[in-house]
Amino acid sequence: EPEVTQTPSHQVTQMGQEVILRCVPISNHLYFYWYRQILGQKVEFLVSFYNNEISEKSEIFDDQFSVERPDGSNFTLKIRSTKLEDSAMYFCASSPHRTGSGQPQHFGDGTRLSIL
Amino acid sequence: DQQVKQNSPSLSVQEGRISILNCDYTNSMFDYFLWYKKYPAEGPTFLISISSIKDKNEDGRFTVFLNKSAKHLSLHIVPSQPGDSAVYFCAASAFKAAGNKLTFGGGTRVLVKP
Repeated sequence: EPEVTQTPSHQVTQMGQEVILRCVPISNHLYFYWYRQILGQKVEFLVSFYNNEISEKSEIFDDQFSVERPDGSNFTLKIRSTKLEDSAMYFCASSPHRTGSGQPQHFGDGTRLSIL
Repeated sequence: DQQVKQNSPSLSVQEGRISILNCDYTNSMFDYFLWYKKYPAEGPTFLISISSIKDKNEDGRFTVFLNKSAKHLSLHIVPSQPGDSAVYFCAASAFKAAGNKLTFGGGTRVLVKP
């Protein structure tokens, strides 16, 4: 069964450094998402992306964050200057169409980001 | 953000018995509800969903019930198996919302005892 793949599985970065998290969504999917889960907290929406532009972003997704689909397969999340509070599990998800009846979002296994 | 709430952080059930997981929501715009299962070190895996035009959806051992007037949904797993031990997340979305994001509950950790 096709799956969403994320790399790396664990990223350790010094505070203030830039980090890029990578995702390969399922190949025929058109909608892409990033979520994060801080330890012990809920899974939170960060951003959704369709047709090469951001559809919606949360309050968390400030100017330090950006997303890109540089080619036909990768979907990346960049954090320009990391902060301690960015430490979390970051999940990429994709769906073939808008999330609705019969069109769930499929998630990758996540990248654990640790900021020192 | 308490728009989706799972009030039971954990549930313990005997193998072969029914597991019932509950979820409440407050946003009337939500029209699609999903249940995900999550094992440690893995991402959420889609289990089952229900549209707001239905009140029940069944897939094998999993059934989701939706009570729109009460803004409540539940997931029934019967019979429960040891492999069902995981964290279960309820999530909701609004089809007409621009970004189509999922709003998650806090999760319920299920332990199925053999």
